[in-house]
Amino acid sequence: QAQLVQSDAEVRKPGASVRVSCKASDYTFSSYGISWVRQAPGQGLEWMGWISVNNGDTNYAQKLQGRVTMTTDTSTGTAYMELRSLKSDDTAVYYCARVNWADLLGYNYYYMDVWGQGTTVTVSS
Amino acid sequence: DIQMTQSPSSLSASVGDRVTITCQASQDIINSLNWYQHQAGKAPKLLIYDASNLETGVSSRFSGSGSGTDFTLTISSLQPEDLATYYCQQYANVPWTFGQGTRVDIK
Repeated sequence: QAQLVQSDAEVRKPGASVRVSCKASDYTFSSYGISWVRQAPGQGLEWMGWISVNNGDTNYAQKLQGRVTMTTDTSTGTAYMELRSLKSDDTAVYYCARVNWADLLGYNYYYMDVWGQGTTVTVSS
Repeated sequence: DIQMTQSPSSLSASVGDRVTITCQASQDIINSLNWYQHQAGKAPKLLIYDASNLETGVSSRFSGSGSGTDFTLTISSLQPEDLATYYCQQYANVPWTFGQGTRVDIK
């Protein structure tokens, strides 16, 4: 059964960076994308962006442009999300999710069908 | 950005009740809509994709409908394990956006 396992919780000071990893297993890593979604305390789900594993194309949420980078390592089946210049409101649980997608002439679909367990990132001085 | 508005924000219903959650998009998204269930302390779970397709392994109690700007998630007979927050999410345009969530409680 396809699975995504994320790295452990992190604590950072404001202005620092954090990198969260997401290791895939039991599916063909390059046939899907990886998306990142976060949930701040007491808030709803917020989409951060996604990366197409087979060609490395990325789309990021505008509010995070310039601070976030999503990458993949196909040799190990691992995705990474780096967030820089951290602020206190970046404190959240960060999830990776597999993106099942197709973009065909006249028809497309994108959905997040396998999720990691979440990584808590706390930003505090 | 496409805004997704869910209603109600929360609801309380009895076991066996039929529950309906609506999601309205700020512009036409055709059928580019997914529904997720998020239980406390767990990862979100895909329920419905492409507005009306039931994800493999998800109970047939769940169904989705709609197109254009108005969508519905229905739980035909609420069960105790359905206690969760439910989110719609559009993928018609980047950035993909979620609704604010509907919290479902069991009376």
